[in-house]
Amino acid sequence: AIQMTQSPSSLSASVGDRVTITCRASQGIRDDLGWYQQKPGKAPKLLIFAASSLYSGVPSRFSGSGSGTDFTLTISSLQPEDFATYYCLQDSNYPRTFGQGTKVEIK
Amino acid sequence: QVQLVESGGGVVQPGRSLRLSCAGSGFTFRSFGMHWVRQAPGKGLEWVAYMWHDESSKYYADSVKGRFTISRDNSKDTLYLQMNSLRAEDTATYYCARDVVSEAISPVAIDPWGQGTLVTVSS
Repeated sequence: AIQMTQSPSSLSASVGDRVTITCRASQGIRDDLGWYQQKPGKAPKLLIFAASSLYSGVPSRFSGSGSGTDFTLTISSLQPEDFATYYCLQDSNYPRTFGQGTKVEIK
Repeated sequence: QVQLVESGGGVVQPGRSLRLSCAGSGFTFRSFGMHWVRQAPGKGLEWVAYMWHDESSKYYADSVKGRFTISRDNSKDTLYLQMNSLRAEDTATYYCARDVVSEAISPVAIDPWGQGTLVTVSS
């Protein structure tokens, strides 16, 4: 199975900060990667698909980049509603595998 | 609007069985591949199983292979997860979720998700 290594596991940031989260695949997965946001007690929501495509309804301050093994989720200007846990998920093959998650907390 | 509603969770003893259901509405259920994803308390997301829209293929995580079975009844717009030989480490909230596009023949992103149903395996 493809292993997804996400970093950092947590970070503290202030409203308005630029935030970057990375995800590394154990083998090349082209651009077959998505990013998800999960708030406490809620189901995850898709933010980015195909590594860099913004999903419908997602604010433009979210962006994704990367291909092959290294990927990045960037929040250009952190908003209060963005404090949550973020996960990457490889869409390359089965079994599907998530990163360990990155919790974004208020500084 | 698209909705996924899980049911069937509860407390079960180790070694016993449980069947989860997920009712879909607001979309053409038979056209979409469907997933089960779980999350142990305080932990990250773990993908569990997937079934193609036409039931032709199924995939499982190694941690549940041979114990869990995914199935669907497209006439009832319902997805199932039969869980046998349950273990304490299967304790989690189980989410059903849909492929983001219809009739996918290769892996695609997952959205939307249901609200989840909690399974607790304990004696």
